[in-house]
Amino acid sequence: NAGVIQTPRHKVTGKGQEATLWCEPISGHSAVFWYRQTIVQGLEFLTYFRNQAPIDDSGMPKERFSAQMPNQSHSTLKIQSTQPQDSAVYLCASSTVWGNTEVFFGKGTRLTVV
Amino acid sequence: QQQVRQSPQSLTVWEGETAILNCSYEDSTFDYFPWYHQFPGESPALLIAIRPVSNKKEDGRFTIFFNKREKKFSLHIADSQPGDSATYFCAASPNTNKVVFGTGTRLQVLP
Repeated sequence: NAGVIQTPRHKVTGKGQEATLWCEPISGHSAVFWYRQTIVQGLEFLTYFRNQAPIDDSGMPKERFSAQMPNQSHSTLKIQSTQPQDSAVYLCASSTVWGNTEVFFGKGTRLTVV
Repeated sequence: QQQVRQSPQSLTVWEGETAILNCSYEDSTFDYFPWYHQFPGESPALLIAIRPVSNKKEDGRFTIFFNKREKKFSLHIADSQPGDSATYFCAASPNTNKVVFGTGTRLQVLP
């Protein structure tokens, strides 16, 4: 079990460019989460999928952020027209859907917008 | 939209002391309260968790105290060790799996 896999580990984009972050959840986990981590805000919830269906995207900045889960083995987080304030570590996590259980995090993608 | 408040932001204790980290929440639908710890360069990982049917959960030197009436819970780390130095996140979740995290407490244990 390789755990939750996130690629790339580091990404540098120019202001205004698009960034796509990838996540492969743990096999058999049907709940997938995206969080953004910064020193100031801590761990911010962005969005959540269950069985590939979007359940809650209340944390997503609506205009430039989008997330998809086209199949059970991967999810993407896309940020259009990146801004310096988007710089953060983006963490993907997965868990089973049977009640409240441990959430397993990937190692994250550190996005730097210059 | 922070629904879980955590304090203090940072905490320094001496080796052997008890570190106390505090959290509070507002949403009455929350029914699962985990604590995660994160070491530098690593991702958060589950440390210990409690459900409201209990007001205390122990795992070695780590204890969660839970007060449902006041909507508060705390993590006590007894006999703190330098290896416990990390950032600790409290969290809360309703039974829909969504987990909301606090802003974290950076703990430093001095030898």
